[in-house]
This record gives sequence, structure tokens and C-alpha cells, in this order.
Amino acid sequence: GAGVSQSPSNKVTEKGKDVELRCDPISGHTALYWYRQSLGQGLEFLIYFQGNSAPDKSGLPSDRFSAERTGGSVSTLTIQRTQQEDSAVYFCASSFNRLNTEAFFGQGTRLTVV
Amino acid sequence: AQSVAQPEDQVNVAEGNPLTVKCTYSVSGNPYLFWYVQYPNRGLQFLLKYITGDNLVKGSYGFEAEFNKSQTSFHLKKPSALVSDSALYFCAVRDVSNTDKLIFGTGTRLQVFP
Repeated sequence: GAGVSQSPSNKVTEKGKDVELRCDPISGHTALYWYRQSLGQGLEFLIYFQGNSAPDKSGLPSDRFSAERTGGSVSTLTIQRTQQEDSAVYFCASSFNRLNTEAFFGQGTRLTVV
Repeated sequence: AQSVAQPEDQVNVAEGNPLTVKCTYSVSGNPYLFWYVQYPNRGLQFLLKYITGDNLVKGSYGFEAEFNKSQTSFHLKKPSALVSDSALYFCAVRDVSNTDKLIFGTGTRLQVFP
């Protein structure tokens, strides 16, 4: 596709349920990022997939959060046993795997835990 | 660890006046610096980047940024602000000491008044 695609665009879930957020990066981009943005806040780094290297998971806030990237392309972010504090907009971004390249962002998934 | 700081939560400027959004960085080695803009309910859009070379970098929508090594700054500038420039602006740096992930500042809200 032309850009980074995220689905769903909005998700409302009940506290305690599991959710999966999907990201389709730009074709050819080997680096993929997940960030989240709570209301009125900045961008919080979650996880970074860099080609075939082990992912940088240092930003995941708890063991309820996990992510995978299958075949070096599509990525899913899974949140288990959702809590109200998980409510945020979750952004995916992708880039070429070079230091001098910018990342391109999707439109985000707005997650609301009720 | 690499980091960027945006000391101003909000910047207010009158339309037609020059604007500056500040960013300072802390890196070991050469910095790879980026500016992004976020319009309401949208993902982040890339504006410009500094990798090496000329200290004045020109980007999208008439924005430019000045890299200053002695002051470890990378301020975003525009000679004449437009009301449509009102948005949230993020500075980012590559974490070259670790996994090269992009680390974002806390963001600065720019408000341009007619």
C-alpha cells in the first residue's frame, strides 16, 4: 500500500478482555515501531522491530503487552487483560533500516477500555 | 542514553510572525535528528531531518531547522506563521547507543492566532 495501515481505527473493549491491534507497514520497510499516546501526552515508545534482529521490547509497560511481526511484514500488538489505563491511541510506524531514514506513521488505533 | 527535550509545552505566535519551537538533544556520537508534526486526530507527519552537512535544514510546509552542535540544539523555525500551522510538534533522535530506535520528545503545542 501507499502508507502504513492500522486496524481497527477505533476499538472499545471491556476491562479484562484481550485486544489485538494490527499494523501493515510500507512495503520494503524492514523497521517497524509501536508507540502509544495517552490523551494530551507525548509519544511513548513500546517496541521496535529491526529487520532480523531481536526486537527492542524495552518500552513495553507490562507483561500484558506483547507484539509480533510475521514474515518481516505485518505486526500485531496484543494487550491481555486490558485495564482502563491502557486507553490511548496506539501508533505504528515503519522505515527503512538505516539511521538516516525517517519513519512513516499510520493513523493510529484509538483504544478505549470501559 | 540518547534523548531529546522540548522545554516548552506550548508556543503562541501571531499569524505572520516568525515562530521557533525549541529542541535540545543529548547523544553520544553523531546525532540523527527529526521533526514531526501532528494535526488533531491524525498520525505524525515527517517535516525534516538533520543527518550531516549544512546546519540549516529545509523541510515541508516552509519549515526549517537549525542544527547547533555547541548548544546541542535543533530548533524548528518558520519565517511567517500561518493559522494552519497550529498543531503538535515533536522532535526525535535516533538512539544510536542502543538499537537505533526513534525516541521522541514530549511535544510542543503551537498555537497561531489570526
